[in-house]
Amino acid sequence: DAGVIQSPRHEVTEMGQEVTLRCKPISGHDYLFWYRQTMMRGLELLIYFNNNVPIDDSGMPEDRFSAKMPNASFSTLKIQPSEPRDSAVYFCASSPTDRGFNQPQHFGDGTRLSIL
Amino acid sequence: GENVEQHPSTLSVQEGDSAVIKCTYSDSASNYFPWYKQELGKGPQLIIDIRSNVGEKKDQRIAVTLNKTAKHFSLHITETQPEDSAVYFCAARSPNQGGKLIFGQGTELSVKP
Repeated sequence: DAGVIQSPRHEVTEMGQEVTLRCKPISGHDYLFWYRQTMMRGLELLIYFNNNVPIDDSGMPEDRFSAKMPNASFSTLKIQPSEPRDSAVYFCASSPTDRGFNQPQHFGDGTRLSIL
Repeated sequence: GENVEQHPSTLSVQEGDSAVIKCTYSDSASNYFPWYKQELGKGPQLIIDIRSNVGEKKDQRIAVTLNKTAKHFSLHITETQPEDSAVYFCAARSPNQGGKLIFGQGTELSVKP
């Protein structure tokens, strides 16, 4: 079975440019999560969706970050304009539904983003 | 909200020895505790999880224990092998926080041959 698929795997761009990260969750999973990983702050949850609807975006650092999930098989995370401090590895994860949420999250291999 | 502390941050063991990583959590309502292994250049991969109605769970060389009273849980790896070298993360989920997992800061495990 295909896992969570993220693209691109690596992105290098200059400060001020728009960055778009993409994620395809595991088929049948109706929760989708976006995380950011840095050495200083570890794994941080940015936003998560349930059935394509954003549930909690309290982790989104500022208005420069936005996320969408237009359908059950695709999500994007955009940064506009990008800044050097946005450099990190961004992970997407998905999980199936459960009344108690106690289902494992499955992670993609991430997008390593470098803002020069 | 929930806070998860993980220790140690680095751990070095000889091949064949056991490794133990410990986590504490703050929200007594937390009821799900997964452990993830992250290899270089990869995303975290679930290796074992435990729910709050169970005190211990084992899967071959890996075991997890949960002490709800003390609010801590531990990962035990026996007969370590060089391929166990990776960063390990614990996490906790509370019904008070919706679907969120709160992660510990990670433990870098090095198994020396």
